[in-house]
Amino acid sequence: EDKVVQSPLSLVVHEGDTVTLNCSYEVTNFRSLLWYKQEKKAPTFLFMLTSSGIEKKSGRLSSILDKKELFSILNITATQTGDSAIYLCAGGGNRDDKIIFGKGTRLHILP
Amino acid sequence: ETGVTQTPRHLVMGMTNKKSLKCEQHLGHNAMYWYKQSAKKPLELMFVYSLEERVENNSVPSRFSPECPNSSHLFLHLHTLQPEDSALYLCASGPGQGRSPLHFGNGTRLTVT
Repeated sequence: EDKVVQSPLSLVVHEGDTVTLNCSYEVTNFRSLLWYKQEKKAPTFLFMLTSSGIEKKSGRLSSILDKKELFSILNITATQTGDSAIYLCAGGGNRDDKIIFGKGTRLHILP
Repeated sequence: ETGVTQTPRHLVMGMTNKKSLKCEQHLGHNAMYWYKQSAKKPLELMFVYSLEERVENNSVPSRFSPECPNSSHLFLHLHTLQPEDSALYLCASGPGQGRSPLHFGNGTRLTVT
């Protein structure tokens, strides 16, 4: 059965710290790994990863995919209180109904 | 503005009521989705429409009924719901055929009393 597992489920750090969020996946006919940030309502798209070993960066956020180990990480450096959110990882297959979400990591940044 | 608009934002309904959730996307996408988000659970895919054709999902109770009149609009008709159906219902759209990412609406917070 397809699944996506995120860890940790919850994380509390101080402003300025660096955090690493983990995502492992098992998705039939895997095509892409996606990261979203959810603050209050709509999850907002962060990254889509399709190739192993190629880091994607956006400001203080970066992510990388390991297709051999079926694993991805999301790094956030110099965290700020505005980074507090739920971070969702999803594995996408080659069918429209094959986008499997993990439970998310709830990140809280203390000022 | 997310490109995907959902109404209403909040809904409180009794177990005998009938109501509908509405979703509209302005992104030219071919696929639309309904997800349910409950506390401490992953986003649960309820229904997918791709090019206005529904992809079957037999695990969703029949008290939830989707409708997709065209590629820009999606409805979720609700009737005789249970309190455990209280959740955030998210609509999303995407390019279809696994060519993610999905774009989400702000959701409808549903409370069943």
